[in-house]
This record gives sequence, C-alpha cells and structure tokens, in this order.
Amino acid sequence: EAGVTQSPRYAVLQEGQAVSFWCDPISGHDTLYWYQQPRDQGPQLLVYFRDEAVIDNSQLPSDRFSAVRPKGTNSTLKIQSAKQGDTATYLCASSFPWGGAYEQYFGPGTRLTVL
Amino acid sequence: AQRVTQVQSTGSSQWGEVTLDCSYETSEYSYLILWYRQLFSGEMVFLIYQPSFDTQNQRSGHYSVVFQKSFKSISLVISASQPEDSGTYFCALSELSGYGNEKITFGAGTKLTIKP
Repeated sequence: EAGVTQSPRYAVLQEGQAVSFWCDPISGHDTLYWYQQPRDQGPQLLVYFRDEAVIDNSQLPSDRFSAVRPKGTNSTLKIQSAKQGDTATYLCASSFPWGGAYEQYFGPGTRLTVL
Repeated sequence: AQRVTQVQSTGSSQWGEVTLDCSYETSEYSYLILWYRQLFSGEMVFLIYQPSFDTQNQRSGHYSVVFQKSFKSISLVISASQPEDSGTYFCALSELSGYGNEKITFGAGTKLTIKP
C-alpha cells in the first residue's frame, strides 16, 4: 500500500514569491493534516481536514497561507508572498476515520527555503 | 495551554539502555502521550503511546515508557540500543476532544546518538 506522498520534495524561493505544496494521502484516509516544522523544532499543526471540510485552521496564517482539499482526497497548501520566516519543512499526514492521533501516517515532507 | 518539553540531545553506547525524558503541560484529564522518531528522509514514524487513564507502562518491541502522571512526565526507554537507533525522537501530547485524539502538540525533539 502506498504511503503519503508529497511534492515537490524541495523548493527554493525569493521573498515575495508564491509556492504550492501537494499531498496525496493514503487511500481511504478521511482526515488530512498539514504541519510546519522549522529547523530543530517539532512539527506544528497548521490545518486539518475531514473529507473536504476544514476542521481547524486556527494556526494557519490566513493572510498568506491557504489550504484546500476540494474532493476530500488530495490537498494543496499554498503560500502567497513567502517570507524568510516561512523557511521550514512542510509535512502532510493522514489518518483513518476516527483513527486517533497515534494513527497519523506522515509523508516525507517538502523542505522550503526562502532567501 | 499545551506544552511539551524535551532535552535537546543525548548519547549512549551500543547495547546500552537509553532513556529520553519528556515533560508536558495540560489541563485536560484525558490525553495521550505519543513518541515518534523522525527518519533522515523527514518522515515521522510512530513508536508508542501512553493513555493518561492507563496506569500500566506501555511496551512495543524494544521501546517502553515510564509514565509519571502526577509529575506530568514520561520517559521513552530504548533497550539494547543500536547505532541505527540514532536520530531525533519527538514526544507529543494529544488531548481528547469532540473529534477524539486528533490534534498533536510536539516537543522540539531529542537528538540521540548511539556510538558503536
């Protein structure tokens, strides 16, 4: 069974540029999470979905970040006008219906560098 | 507010028993403490979890935990450690909500080095 896949694996931008990250969760997983992991820190939840609905986006910087999951499968996280402080690894995870925190399966992440 | 604190780094020799410490803050009665390992590829791998309501320390393979609920602390114990156990280990807290235990708060991680 394929795991969570993410693309691209790496991205390098100048400040002010936009970037999109794509995540394909494990088949059958209804819940999808996006985390931001700055260097030498733990992952921090940005937003999560159940099917196509946003359950919690309270930690998503809404002025420049957006996330969608239109058909309840794949998801896209977009940063408009990136800043150096956005430099981090962006992790996607998915889980079964009512799977619980310990059953989140993580992808390899997208490592973003903003110059 | 949720907070998880870990020691930045530690080391040991092969075949030794390693203990990674974690302390946390929560006002909830029901929660889970989870341990993850981050591979060099960046992927987070789930290792073991301890429910707050369970007084028995959990075990999984060569991982176990020592749970001290009254002190809000937990330790991950790795027995018979090997150099390939080296990496970054994360302690995480998940409070029970209306949707179950879905939101995780991670610590900053402990970098473990096991020398041959």
